[in-house]
Amino acid sequence: AQTVTQSQPEMSVQEAETVTLSCTYDTSESDYYLFWYKQPPSRQMILVIRQEAYKQQNATENRFSVNFQKAAKSFSLKISDSQLGDAAMYFCAYRSGHGSSNTGKLIFGQGTTLQVKP
Amino acid sequence: DAGVIQSPRHEVTEMGQEVTLRCKPISGHNSLFWYRQTMMRGLELLIYFNNNVPIDDSGMPEDRFSAKMPNASFSTLKIQPSEPRDSAVYFCASSPRPRVLRRFFGPGTRLTVL
Repeated sequence: AQTVTQSQPEMSVQEAETVTLSCTYDTSESDYYLFWYKQPPSRQMILVIRQEAYKQQNATENRFSVNFQKAAKSFSLKISDSQLGDAAMYFCAYRSGHGSSNTGKLIFGQGTTLQVKP
Repeated sequence: DAGVIQSPRHEVTEMGQEVTLRCKPISGHNSLFWYRQTMMRGLELLIYFNNNVPIDDSGMPEDRFSAKMPNASFSTLKIQPSEPRDSAVYFCASSPRPRVLRRFFGPGTRLTVL
């Protein structure tokens, strides 16, 4: 079974600084996808960024980028130039590839609460 | 597009009562997912449907939980009888089909069982 682990329950960062949120996962599959979701106080779940396991290049979306280390099964999220609006809980998630019978499932980590200090 | 709609947004009930949570997926989406979020266990997938058929309910915690999707535009998650440990935020999400990567989440229902 696949698992996702976020070892940092809480993180804080000064506004305009950079912060990295950690995520590790365990799987025996070779084809899969990884995601970071943001959950602000409104509770809405917002997709931040995604990474296909077959791609070596790290995904980037504006101020958000990932460091995907497939061999180490690590998928960290870097937020550059942090803004007050980035304060939220962040979830790392795993999804099996299209060839898997588990392809419908998203498996989430426990979440990391990010505080942004002005 | 109204997005995924869930009702009620908040529910407070007493132990032993029946609770029904409702979800309307985005029109045209054939896959629907129910998640539960708690402090202890994080975000867990309870069950998901494809074309109104339950595909995987292995995440449903026990027989007190049941989910139905009578048509493409409506799903319910029922807890009977409810217990205090069921208190959580329940999310519904949809996607056009299982193989589409992105899930579109509803706003969640915060359930408190006293």
